[in-house]
Amino acid sequence: SQQGEEDPQALSIQEGENATMNCSYKTSINNLQWYRQNSGRGLVHLILIRSNEREKHSGRLRVTLDTSKKSSSLLITASRAADTASYFCATDQGGSEKLVFGKGTKLTVNP
Amino acid sequence: DAGVTQSPTHLIKTRGQQVTLRCSPKSGHDTVSWYQQALGQGPQFIFQYYEEEERQRGNFPDRFSGHQFPNYSSELNVNALLLGDSALYLCASSLGGGQYFGPGTRLTVL
Repeated sequence: SQQGEEDPQALSIQEGENATMNCSYKTSINNLQWYRQNSGRGLVHLILIRSNEREKHSGRLRVTLDTSKKSSSLLITASRAADTASYFCATDQGGSEKLVFGKGTKLTVNP
Repeated sequence: DAGVTQSPTHLIKTRGQQVTLRCSPKSGHDTVSWYQQALGQGPQFIFQYYEEEERQRGNFPDRFSGHQFPNYSSELNVNALLLGDSALYLCASSLGGGQYFGPGTRLTVL
């Protein structure tokens, strides 16, 4: 069963705009990871945030984690056409290395 | 530094056949996990190997089996293929932290 639920399911924006995707999960976690997938190919690891962290940055990416609400958000600033992809959040389950994924957010950045 | 590699890239089989998929982990990684991703869905965990043993298993039937070799590479075997086994099969490697995925093997069962 899927633990993470990404929201929205699809997002279409113009180049230069910011894109925000949200993820909710059900059980306690040690960490949460965000991945990008282009056209049904392999997953690219974007960022890992641990349960004791609240915010993390990597380049144009900003991830927040609210363990009290069991939710996370991924912000992509100044989006580019190359950011067009599906984005997934994945959670472990309290120490297990098994990752549980949501169905993803399909982001389209229009040039 | 090579990332995670998988072979083959694509595979077409018929129902009832058996298939073996291969994965080489990222250099220095000792843990390999396998995931199945159906079209339009997120990846689903199949199992994980560490020190040549299956450490965890997801909700997949015994037709799905695996192996890890002393060099940490791994194989996924699926017997008695069903149409529903058509999917992208992803391998991920890790060393106690984030999991890094390979490009996947696209399996089509006719």
